[in-house]
Formats: sequence, C-alpha cells, structure tokens
Amino acid sequence: GAVVSQHPSRVICKSGTSVKIECRSLDFQATTMFWYRQFPKKSLMLMATSNEGSKATYEQGVEKDKFLINHASLTLSTLTVTSAHPEDSSFYICSARPGQGNQPQHFGDGTRLSIL
Amino acid sequence: GENVEQHPSTLSVQEGDSAVIKCTYSDSASNYFPWYKQELGKGPQLIIDIRSNVGEKKDQRIAVTLNKTAKHFSLHITETQPEDSAVYFCAATQTGANNLFFGTGTRLTVIP
Repeated sequence: GAVVSQHPSRVICKSGTSVKIECRSLDFQATTMFWYRQFPKKSLMLMATSNEGSKATYEQGVEKDKFLINHASLTLSTLTVTSAHPEDSSFYICSARPGQGNQPQHFGDGTRLSIL
Repeated sequence: GENVEQHPSTLSVQEGDSAVIKCTYSDSASNYFPWYKQELGKGPQLIIDIRSNVGEKKDQRIAVTLNKTAKHFSLHITETQPEDSAVYFCAATQTGANNLFFGTGTRLTVIP
C-alpha cells in the first residue's frame, strides 16, 4: 500500500519550455502532497507543500511564479516549471501523506529534468 | 528550526557485516523519526520509523534506536547484503507537521 506514482521519470527539453510533472497517490487519498528538489549527491530540499483545494505553501527562496503547483484532487498534484532554464535542471521528487497527522510521507520515484 | 546531522557520509562494509548510521537532531519537540533508502535514480523509500514513545524498533535485519535525552537515533543493518547498497537518509519531524527535516545522507556500499 501507499504507492506514489510520478510522471514523467525523465524530461529533456529546450530552454524556455514549460514542463509539467504529475504526482499521483495510487491507493490512498492525500490531502497534502510535497515537492522536493534534490541536487546530485545532496539531500532533499522541500520546495513547497501542496494542499488539496487551496494554494500551495512555498518555502523561503522558492519562486511561486516559477514553480506552479496545482492540487485539484485528493490523488493528484502537479508541478509546472515555467520557462525552464539550465539552472532548473535537477531531480524533482514528490511525496504524499495518507490521511492526517501522524502518517509517514511516501515518495514517488522522481523526475529528472534536464534543460538544454 | 530543526537541524539533523548524519554520519558517516559514506560507509563500506563486507557482505554479512553490520552497518550503523547515526543521526542527531536539535529540536526536542521532534517526535517522529523515519529512515529512507534511496537507490540510484529512484525516490526515497521508507524502510523503518520510530516514534518518541519507544526506544527501539526492529524489522528483520533492520533496527532503529532512539535516545531522546541525547537527541540522537541510529539505524542498524545486520547481515548486510549487496542489495542493501544505497543512500540512506534519516529525518525528524513533529507528528502532524508538514516539514520533514532530512539528514545529509549516507552512501552505503556492501562489498560482496
């Protein structure tokens, strides 16, 4: 149980393109989903918390107009990297938490984004 | 805010030996401590967790210990196998909080 699916697994695109990444909870409902960014050989950095039916909460230093988050249902959150540039190249990982409170976060398999 | 430190950053062990990874945290309010295993090109997978009301938890070859007074917790893997090779992250948070504070990771290599 508690499977999180992330798509696509890899994206290569030109500078200036907008890229959408999907995160789905397959066997549970997730009021809250999370988006992380991970640089090579580094730990995960929380970018934003995605709340179903309301605006996402962004961490300090993360541009909300650059990284658009939509959480329109209890099983789907999307992250759109707008007008991507080479410095946006990274490994993006989502997670979802079943129910409320004391349930652990379960992670997707990540999306490797490469901007040429 | 919470600060989680993790050691060592790399660890190599012979197959069959034990591996121990240690983490410390700074916020005494943290009460939930999960451990994640991340294989190359994959997302982190939860392998074991512990809450502050217990001092030790075991699941087959994996165990976690927690010392609330000293604010440190450790992951123990016994009888290591090559498939245990991965990067392991500890984390700390408060129950119900959104932020999961990760350690810096430990790259474990099990040598056949």
